[in-house]
Amino acid sequence: EVKLVESGGGLVQPGGSLRLSCAASGFDFGAYDFHWVRQPIGAPLEWVSGLSTTGDTYYAASVKGRFTISRDNARNSLFLQMNSLRVGDTAVYYCARDKGANWFDPWGQGTLVTVSS
Amino acid sequence: QSALTQPASVSGSPGQSIIVSCIGTSNDIGTYNYVSWYQQHPGKVPKLLIYEVTNRPSGVSSRFSGSKSGNTASLIISGLQTEDEADYYCASYTTSVTYVFGTGTKVTVL
Repeated sequence: EVKLVESGGGLVQPGGSLRLSCAASGFDFGAYDFHWVRQPIGAPLEWVSGLSTTGDTYYAASVKGRFTISRDNARNSLFLQMNSLRVGDTAVYYCARDKGANWFDPWGQGTLVTVSS
Repeated sequence: QSALTQPASVSGSPGQSIIVSCIGTSNDIGTYNYVSWYQQHPGKVPKLLIYEVTNRPSGVSSRFSGSKSGNTASLIISGLQTEDEADYYCASYTTSVTYVFGTGTKVTVL
């Protein structure tokens, strides 16, 4: 079964940092691109960042310079290092797989990040 | 990159067909055929419905179909069923090598 499981969310103060993880199973992790997509409660989806099989990284303007996406193919894991967090970064963060064809399937169950003082 | 524009809500009776529009620009929908659609039931994870404008993944009902004309993509749900009541999002690849989602549409079955 193809599965993505996010972890690492929680409550953090503005200006703080958090590292999200996404553990993959049931497929050849190294053969796929991956993305992080976030969704504030009650709000639309927002693409955050993407990472190709060759290591190319892409970021939304709203997070560029603050967030870093990375992967560890040996551990079948995707990461998102989030620094200088803002209240506006509060959302459920999903990881999603992409076979290099620019769509997202499947998605993990999400992890909630709350930025608040 | 501004979000793609979708109607806030669309409704229909069981058995009817409805169309959810997704308006972009020449920087996204107008340039690429990388438009995808996602269904999200309340409290659930988004699910891929349509990819590359018109293609359906295996396991997705044939009642769902997609199209595109110029800068506008559309999701058509035919033979509306109660389980189709959900939020629907479009997404597109962009000329900035990023992705943009739509504002979301709540589909209600009357």
